[in-house]
Amino acid sequence: SYELTQPSSVSVSPGQTARITCSGDVLAKKYARWFQQKPGQAPVLVIYKDSERPSGIPERFSGSSSGTTVTLTISGAQVEDEADYYCYSAADNNRVFGGGTKLTVL
Amino acid sequence: EVQLVESGGGLVQPGGSLRLSCAASGFTFSSYEMNWVRQAPGKGLEWVSYISSSGSTIYYADSVKGRFTISRDNAKNSLYLQMNSLRAEDTAVYYCASQGSSSSLWGKGTTVTVSS
Repeated sequence: SYELTQPSSVSVSPGQTARITCSGDVLAKKYARWFQQKPGQAPVLVIYKDSERPSGIPERFSGSSSGTTVTLTISGAQVEDEADYYCYSAADNNRVFGGGTKLTVL
Repeated sequence: EVQLVESGGGLVQPGGSLRLSCAASGFTFSSYEMNWVRQAPGKGLEWVSYISSSGSTIYYADSVKGRFTISRDNAKNSLYLQMNSLRAEDTAVYYCASQGSSSSLWGKGTTVTVSS
């Protein structure tokens, strides 16, 4: 099975840039997705295919990939961006989520 | 309205069974791959099972293999998860989620509690 590793927490002040990394061997050959989950709510897709943004997701959300690491960047983080963020990838007969990163914006 | 609505959760004793359902509306359900994902209290997301749009390809996480069965009825726009031999560690909110090439729609989840 595959594993994806994320930092447990990231903290920024409003208006700063937040970067959340996700590492795993599978990412060298498969795309990643990023999901945002706010307390008591279902996850929302914010990035797919490493760097593509679904319609309706603010432009401040972007993604990038390098080797076995993908990065979610929130440029000019807002208070409303405070949430848990999960990377996700699919390979062969497996799908896997990262452990999640709690983003604090204050 | 485009939505997924899960149902069927509840309290069950260890070793018991439950069948979860997920009703899709507002989109062409038969065109989408589907997943079940769970989240234990205070924990992260855990992928449980995948089914292709036609139902011909199915995958399971090792933690549920041999105990859970995913299925779908495209004529009824519905996804199912039959859960047998339930354990305390299966306690979680269970979400169904569609998987499009550039989208992913999730339901609000249904809670499964396994306890005596």
